[in-house]
Formats: sequence, C-alpha cells, structure tokens
Amino acid sequence: QVQMVESGGGVVQPGMSLRLSCAASGFTFSSYNMHWVRQAPGKGLEWVAVISYDGGNKYYADSVKGRFTISRDNSKNTLDLQMSSLRDEDTAVYYCARSQMHTIGGVIAELLDYWGQGTLVTVSS
Amino acid sequence: AIQMTQSPSSLSASVGDRVTITCRASQGIRSDLGWYQQKPGKAPKLLIYAASTLQSGVPSRFSGSGSGTDFTLTISSLQPEDFASYYCLQDYDYPRTFGQGTKVEIK
Repeated sequence: QVQMVESGGGVVQPGMSLRLSCAASGFTFSSYNMHWVRQAPGKGLEWVAVISYDGGNKYYADSVKGRFTISRDNSKNTLDLQMSSLRDEDTAVYYCARSQMHTIGGVIAELLDYWGQGTLVTVSS
Repeated sequence: AIQMTQSPSSLSASVGDRVTITCRASQGIRSDLGWYQQKPGKAPKLLIYAASTLQSGVPSRFSGSGSGTDFTLTISSLQPEDFASYYCLQDYDYPRTFGQGTKVEIK
C-alpha cells in the first residue's frame, strides 16, 4: 500500500540548517509530483513547496523561497527538503504529500491523496 | 498569491446537524479547490477535489459546491467522527494556498 515516512526533524537553533526526507513506497514514485506542507503548533496548514515528477519544476511559498530547497531522488524513492537560515516561525510539523492529477471536464484537478505522518521541526535557541 | 478566506473559524454543532463551511478565493480559481479533514495529531485527509468530486471512500454526507471565487463544504448529517478541522486548498496556481481552517466542535 502507499506509504510515506518523513524523517530528519529535530531541534535546531535559529540560522542553522536541517534536511528532511520522505521515503515513499507502494507506488511508482517517479510518476508523481510531490509536496511539502507544514503546520505550526496550534495553527493551520501551510503549503511549502512542490516538485514535479521528474524534478524539473519546483515552486515555493514566499515564506520559504530562497531558504528552502526541494529535491527528489527517483532511484531511491525519496523526497527531500533542505532548510537553511531557519527562523522561529519555521517551527512546525512537516508533511510530505503525494499529488494525484485527475482530468474532469477537460480541466486537470490536483489532489493531495496520500500524506506522511509528519516530522516535527523546532527552531529554538 | 491567491488568498483563501475560510469561514467560520470554528463552529459548535450537534450530531445530526447540517454543517456548512465556506471558502472564498481572492480571484477566480475555476473549480480548482479541494477540501481536507484533519483530526488532532493526524495528517490531513482528502475529502473532495475539483470543488465537488467526492474522493473514493469518503461518506456521501460530505459534499462540495461552488466555482469561481465562492465554495462550500457541506456535511449533511454530522457524525461523531466528523468532529475535526477542515481546510480548503486551491490548486489553480502556485503558490498553493490553504484557507485558515474551520474547527468543528461538539455542542
């Protein structure tokens, strides 16, 4: 069955870096776009970044642009998020999510149909 | 970036009640909107995509409607397992943006 497991979270000081990983299994990883979504403690969901199935296209939230880098290794079925210049406000649970595309009435709809369990990143001095 | 304004931020309801949550986009997004349910300590779960298409396995008491800028998630008869937070997400453009969320609590 489809499974995604995030890892790499922990406590880090402001200004430092951290790399998150998401190990995917149970589906053809190289065929799917993948997203990172985060949730600060007690807050709502915030979309972070997406990478296309082949790694050729990447988009970021304005709040992380220039500091975070999304990447993937289709030979290892892994998705990564390299986070640098971390700030207090980056403290959150980080989820990876699979993107599924459905064509409805000639329009392509994107849905995030499978999510990992999340990994907690705490930025604190 | 497209802003998604979701309301209400919270509501109290009883089992069997009809519940409606709305999401308004800052610009037209066709029907490029999904609804997600999240329970405490758990990952979000997809309920509806393309504004009104029910995800496989999701109970039919959930429905979605709308297009352009105004969207609605309706739970026709609230069940105990539906007490959770709900979020809309636009997939019309990047960056993707979520609504602020609606917490559905037991009255």
